[in-house]
Amino acid sequence: GQQLNQSPQSMFIQEGEDVSMNCTSSSIFNTWLWYKQDPGEGPVLLIALYKAGELTSNGRLTAQFGITRKDSFLNISASIPSDVGIYFCAGQLSGSSNTGKLIFGQGTTLQVKP
Amino acid sequence: GAGVSQSPRYKVAKRGQDVALRCDPISGHVSLFWYQQALGQGPEFLTYFQNEAQLDKSGLPSDRFFAERPEGSVSTLKIQRTQQEDSAVYLCASSLAQFDRRFFGPGTRLTVL
Repeated sequence: GQQLNQSPQSMFIQEGEDVSMNCTSSSIFNTWLWYKQDPGEGPVLLIALYKAGELTSNGRLTAQFGITRKDSFLNISASIPSDVGIYFCAGQLSGSSNTGKLIFGQGTTLQVKP
Repeated sequence: GAGVSQSPRYKVAKRGQDVALRCDPISGHVSLFWYQQALGQGPEFLTYFQNEAQLDKSGLPSDRFFAERPEGSVSTLKIQRTQQEDSAVYLCASSLAQFDRRFFGPGTRLTVL
């Protein structure tokens, strides 16, 4: 199935460091979403972006909807141990035939060393 | 309930068995989605319901996969004659309306031996 190109695949960082991950697509999206998934749980929404160029923050998290509508990035500042988990980008395609299904990236696994 | 619930949480099936996975969405949520998440991958869309109507089943990988939501609330994903490649976590998500925030359940981990 179609998936977004998400990078990096994994990151191992020191507590307090900033983190950046991004997603790219060959298709145009009208919505970009960033989720976090903990082991044994479903994805939980972190940030939603609805407009090209939009920059949105949620606490230590900042995400941007690319101008071309084909990419997005997520930054986490001053990481803490509870940031550990798998982060997914997800996009919703443009077009009248869209039923609201999301296309997900492959995920970025984040590990934080105290 | 407070969130989306799924049962069973874990299911082990022998190859060739039929399985049924249940999703209880948040009360009042019109939209319901099923996703399949293989190990180390992101979720992949399977099917979408608006109330009891299945409006998009483009992601179902074969005719062995069947989903229903007869009363517009609880949904069941059935997999017939399971194969090893069906092993994955099956996630259910619901939302108030089609493009509203989706809330995911914890998933059912299916292992086919």
